[in-house]
Amino acid sequence: EVQLVESGGGLVQPGRSLRLSCAASGFKFDDYAMHWVRQAPGKGLEWVSGISWNSGAITYADFVKGRFTISRDNAQNSLYLQVNNVRPGDTAFYFCAKDMGKRYGAAPFDSWGQGTLVTVSS
Amino acid sequence: EIVMTQSPATLSVSPGEAATLSCRASHSVSRNLAWYQQKPGQAPRLLIYGASTRASGIPARFSGSGSGTEFTLTISSLQSEDFAVYYCQQYNNPVTFGQGTKVEIK
Repeated sequence: EVQLVESGGGLVQPGRSLRLSCAASGFKFDDYAMHWVRQAPGKGLEWVSGISWNSGAITYADFVKGRFTISRDNAQNSLYLQVNNVRPGDTAFYFCAKDMGKRYGAAPFDSWGQGTLVTVSS
Repeated sequence: EIVMTQSPATLSVSPGEAATLSCRASHSVSRNLAWYQQKPGQAPRLLIYGASTRASGIPARFSGSGSGTEFTLTISSLQSEDFAVYYCQQYNNPVTFGQGTKVEIK
């Protein structure tokens, strides 16, 4: 059974940084691209970033503007999202999601974690 | 960036009736279109991909159609567990989602 478990969320002050993690199990992690998707409370889904199976290709949504960095450690079956200079608009549930392919841009997301809530407030 | 527009925003349907949800893309996405279902407090669940292929374990009452810029998700006979928010997603690079359609009990 595929399992994706996010961690690292919480209350953070504007301007600070945090690192989100996603622990994957139940599938061959290094065979698939992975993504981060966020959802502000009561709002819709917003794709944040995607990374190919070997980290060779990485893409970010336009709103990221250099503040976010996605990475993965295939030896640890883990996905990460570094978020710098957080803003109140970054308040959201952050989901990691498994792509159905090795690279992104050709397949949907067939498994999702339950999300970790990031709240940006002073 | 390809903008995805879903309609209607809210759909009120009685159990047992059919529901038709629409999704329009600002530019052609070919058939790289997926539909997701999300219930309160839960992660999204993949229903349809490739515009019309049901994901594993998805009941046959869910069907998708369309290509290019116009897509439809049809739920043939709504069950109580189908009342939820539905999102379309185009998965060309970069990925974008529609704003969602809430299917509520009439």
